[in-house]
Amino acid sequence: KAGVTQTPRYLIKTRGQQVTLSCSPISGHRSVSWYQQTPGQGLQFLFEYFSETQRNKGNFPGRFSGRQFSNSRSEMNVSTLELGDSALYLCASSFAGQPYEQYFGPGTRLTVT
Amino acid sequence: EDQVTQSPEALRLQEGESSSLNCSYTVSGLRGLFWYRQDPGKGPEFLFTLYSAGEEKEKERLKATLTKKESFLHITAPKPEDSATYLCAVQGGDDKIIFGKGTRLHILP
Repeated sequence: KAGVTQTPRYLIKTRGQQVTLSCSPISGHRSVSWYQQTPGQGLQFLFEYFSETQRNKGNFPGRFSGRQFSNSRSEMNVSTLELGDSALYLCASSFAGQPYEQYFGPGTRLTVT
Repeated sequence: EDQVTQSPEALRLQEGESSSLNCSYTVSGLRGLFWYRQDPGKGPEFLFTLYSAGEEKEKERLKATLTKKESFLHITAPKPEDSATYLCAVQGGDDKIIFGKGTRLHILP
């Protein structure tokens, strides 16, 4: 069974630009969550989508948004990039049973200059 | 406020030297506690889910235990390939998942 895939793997953007990251979950998984990982803050929850609906949201500004498509693939968008947005962005999928056993992708390394 | 604290931040062991990693948590309505392993440049790899106090799970040289306030990840006779960052996470009643900052484990040959 194929794992979670994320594209692109690496990205360099300039302050003020926007970026879209993509995630394809494990086949059959309907829940997709996004996390930001930095050395100082660790893994921080951004949001979770289930059946194309945002089911949960972390404490990030509105510049961070996401969506999920009918095939469970998900995208996250960051507008007006700031230097502090440089991080590893991780996507995780789960079958959405309780509790959520999540399976992570390799991440997208975003660098904002 | 829900919180997860892992200790120590870093741990260096000789090959074969057993030890334990700690995860202390405060959460309303624990639905599950998770352990993950993360290698440099990769996403976390799922290891265990623990549901209630008293539960234990094992996988190869790893054993996870859970009490009402903390979880331990015991590593028995570790090998250099066990070197990684080990992450603990909890899911509370609001379904949000909170991660600790991890323990960086280094096993010396």
